Amino acid sequence: AQKITQTQPGMFVQEKEAVTLDCTYDTSDPSYGLFWYKQPSSGEMIFLIYQGSYDQQNATEGRYSLNFQKARKSANLVISASQLGDSAMYFCAMRDALTGGGNKLTFGTGTQLKVEL
Amino acid sequence: DSGVTQTPKHLITATGQRVTLRCSPRSGDLSVYWYQQSLDQGLQFLIQYYNGEERAKGNILERFSAQQFPDLHSELNLSSLELGDSALYFCASSDQAGQGRDTIYFGEGSWLTVV
Repeated sequence: AQKITQTQPGMFVQEKEAVTLDCTYDTSDPSYGLFWYKQPSSGEMIFLIYQGSYDQQNATEGRYSLNFQKARKSANLVISASQLGDSAMYFCAMRDALTGGGNKLTFGTGTQLKVEL
Repeated sequence: DSGVTQTPKHLITATGQRVTLRCSPRSGDLSVYWYQQSLDQGLQFLIQYYNGEERAKGNILERFSAQQFPDLHSELNLSSLELGDSALYFCASSDQAGQGRDTIYFGEGSWLTVV
């Protein structure tokens, strides 16, 4: 079974600084996809970035980038130039292919990020 | 705005009752997923439908059922509700069956409180 580990329950960062949120994963599948989602206090789950296991380059989306180290099975999210609005819970997730052609996301426990002035 | 619409946003109901949560996927998306988020169990996959057919099943209780209609909207039915069913229920959708680079987008969730 696939497993996602986020070891940082909470993180603080100062506004305008960069922050790295850690995510390690465990899978025996050669093909997989990794996602990061942001969940503000209002509750919605916002897609941030995707990394495929065969992607040659690390994914980037605006201020978000993914530090993908396949051999170490890590997919850390880097947020540059932090803003107050980045304060939220961040989840790392892996797509898990299921029998019958379906799939699901396996989520980590999340990291609560607080951006301070 | 992800384009995935869920109703109702908030729901308070009594134990033993039955509720229906509704989801409209993003325009053109064929897959719909249901997830439950609770404090003690985190985010749990419940079920996936693809183009009207059940494609994958997760930790969904027998008291819960779902379906996807021909217009691709989906409903999650929760019956004989217990206090422990109080949670945030997410619907998500993706373009295809969810392989490869198919991104999964979530709705804003339906907050269910069972009293």
